[in-house]
Amino acid sequence: RKEVEQDPGPFNVPEGATVAFNCTYSNSASQSFFWYRQDCRKEPKLLMSVYSSGNEDGRFTAQLNRASQYISLLIRDSKLSDSATYLCVVPEEGASKIIFGSGTRLSIRP
Amino acid sequence: DVKVTQSSRYLVKRTGEKVFLECVQDMDHENMFWYRQDPGLGLRLIYFSYDVKMKEKGDIPEGYSVSREKKERFSLILESASTNQTSMYLCASRVVGGSYEQYFGPGTRLTVT
Repeated sequence: RKEVEQDPGPFNVPEGATVAFNCTYSNSASQSFFWYRQDCRKEPKLLMSVYSSGNEDGRFTAQLNRASQYISLLIRDSKLSDSATYLCVVPEEGASKIIFGSGTRLSIRP
Repeated sequence: DVKVTQSSRYLVKRTGEKVFLECVQDMDHENMFWYRQDPGLGLRLIYFSYDVKMKEKGDIPEGYSVSREKKERFSLILESASTNQTSMYLCASRVVGGSYEQYFGPGTRLTVT
């Protein structure tokens, strides 16, 4: 099993829709989790951090399910500008190593 | 505002050449990382550095070496470039004891012909 696994997509949804995708992780000791956003031909940038059960920032909600070892990202009222690849990131606690998922591609159509 | 810069955005090299990719960060971060990113494979860690002169192999170190002589600079070296090293190379830095957030440079797209 991969350490961090994501559905690669692509998810193709209309503007205004709600979309959600999951990320599963294998290390049950992991305590912190991140969603990064990567635009085409650009570097990844931090979108949200998740340290406990979840986090909400405007239209974006990240949730953590420790029992099933997955985190999810929910985007409400999606905008064209949300089109990007979303990377799930799980650091190894106490270590410098950070595991990236291979990303979920999201495309919002008008 | 954290800034991570990489020496080149695009680079074309010939097979067998020695290639240097430079990364500089201006926030006094202890940890620095080199990744390569390929379609369908995501970001794969090549090497990381805990601090000056300290390095550790990542998941795919073969064919690469690194150098960290100064805190702000982390260099990736391809000793003898091969076509399968054609990729996007991303450098990142992170402060120890912080939020684990990594700050990325803009990337270097390397083509080996």
